[in-house]
Amino acid sequence: GENVEQHPSTLSVQEGDSAVIKCTYSDSASNYFPWYKQELGKRPQLIIDIRSNVGEKKDQRIAVTLNKTAKHFSLHITETQPEDSAVYFCAASYTGNQFYFGTGTSLTVIP
Amino acid sequence: GAGVSQSPRYKVAKRGQDVALRCDPISGHVSLFWYQQALGQGPEFLTYFQNEAQLDKSGLPSDRFFAERPEGSVSTLKIQRTQQEDSAVYLCASSLGLAGGPGELFFGEGSRLTVL
Repeated sequence: GENVEQHPSTLSVQEGDSAVIKCTYSDSASNYFPWYKQELGKRPQLIIDIRSNVGEKKDQRIAVTLNKTAKHFSLHITETQPEDSAVYFCAASYTGNQFYFGTGTSLTVIP
Repeated sequence: GAGVSQSPRYKVAKRGQDVALRCDPISGHVSLFWYQQALGQGPEFLTYFQNEAQLDKSGLPSDRFFAERPEGSVSTLKIQRTQQEDSAVYLCASSLGLAGGPGELFFGEGSRLTVL
């Protein structure tokens, strides 16, 4: 089955700086890569996703890049704000019947 | 309701007790997933339903775990003879499940199970 690895496990940045979280996957058949944000005690919520037919997608301060050859994808958050502090999970799926999640990155934005 | 609803939000069980966790997905969502999330970890897949059919239960850790979705809407995850290692947050998620490929998962708030 698919194996998703996520790095780093913790990340601290100064407010206004950029944050980058990286994930690798093992199954070349995976074609859908969502990122979820989970605030403490809350449900995971989708913040951005990308499909394998594109290499980059941007939504305001958030962007995701995908390298199918190397089988890795990254989340980029620019101009970080304290409300960006949360745990971020990457995931991979190829059928929609299973989503394989990374172990999460705890992001802290220091005011 | 507007989102995925789970109950109970918190459950404390004595070791050996049976528990039942309920998930009410978004109306019209075909796909329903159960995940187990240990503290500080990512969600781990347990089982998947497409309507009332349980198409994948490969993630259920033992035969003490059982899930059903008899009418293709509400789902129940049952854990028999609970053990301490079952303590975790159990997340339910649903998605439209359209033929066009994977789509957004909508998660519930989770049911936090603590086994004493």
